[in-house]
Amino acid sequence: KQEVTQIPAALSVPEGENLVLNCSFTDSAIYNLQWFRQDPGKGLTSLLLIQSSQREQTSGRLNASLDKSSGRSTLYIAASQPGDSATYLCAVNGISGAGSYQLTFGKGTKLSVIP
Amino acid sequence: DAGITQSPRHKVTETGTPVTLRCHQTENHRYMYWYRQDPGHGLRLIHYSYGVKDTDKGEVSDGYSVSRSKTEDFLLTLESATSSQTSVYFCAISESTGLEGSQYFGPGTRLLVL
Repeated sequence: KQEVTQIPAALSVPEGENLVLNCSFTDSAIYNLQWFRQDPGKGLTSLLLIQSSQREQTSGRLNASLDKSSGRSTLYIAASQPGDSATYLCAVNGISGAGSYQLTFGKGTKLSVIP
Repeated sequence: DAGITQSPRHKVTETGTPVTLRCHQTENHRYMYWYRQDPGHGLRLIHYSYGVKDTDKGEVSDGYSVSRSKTEDFLLTLESATSSQTSVYFCAISESTGLEGSQYFGPGTRLLVL
């Protein structure tokens, strides 16, 4: 069974700092990995999708990397801003025990950017 | 933002009563999903649909049923609600199986079962 772990569970940084969020997964047989952002009381917003054949994806100040063989992904946020404060979720897409495609989520990293 | 709405957004009900949550999309995406989000567990898949009248179970399907009679609507029913089903429920959609595409999430429904 796929398990996804995100470390740290919470992170507090001063504004302007560059930071890295970590995601690890136990089964390397994945199709893709997706990073989401969730604001309190809101739904999930898709940030980046990395296919299993890719090494990284970039969107603005965000850069996500994927090392499928070692079961790791990182989300790099450059020049953090208070508006980046949210919970960041990592999810891997693979085959479930029932043979269907399924997203397995980590529990998230809660980021606070202090002005 | 993907055109996904969920109704109701908040609901309080009593143990043993039936509850139906609705997800409506305007994107004409083939795939629709229901997740629940609980502290300490993260998001878990309940059921999903890969087309009209085509549905399958996810990781935590016990106590839930779904129906999809139209492309745009995906209903989640709790036949007899229990306190363990108190949660935040999210609907998601995707254009493909997810092999290539992203999943897009609705705003969520907060359900409290007393």
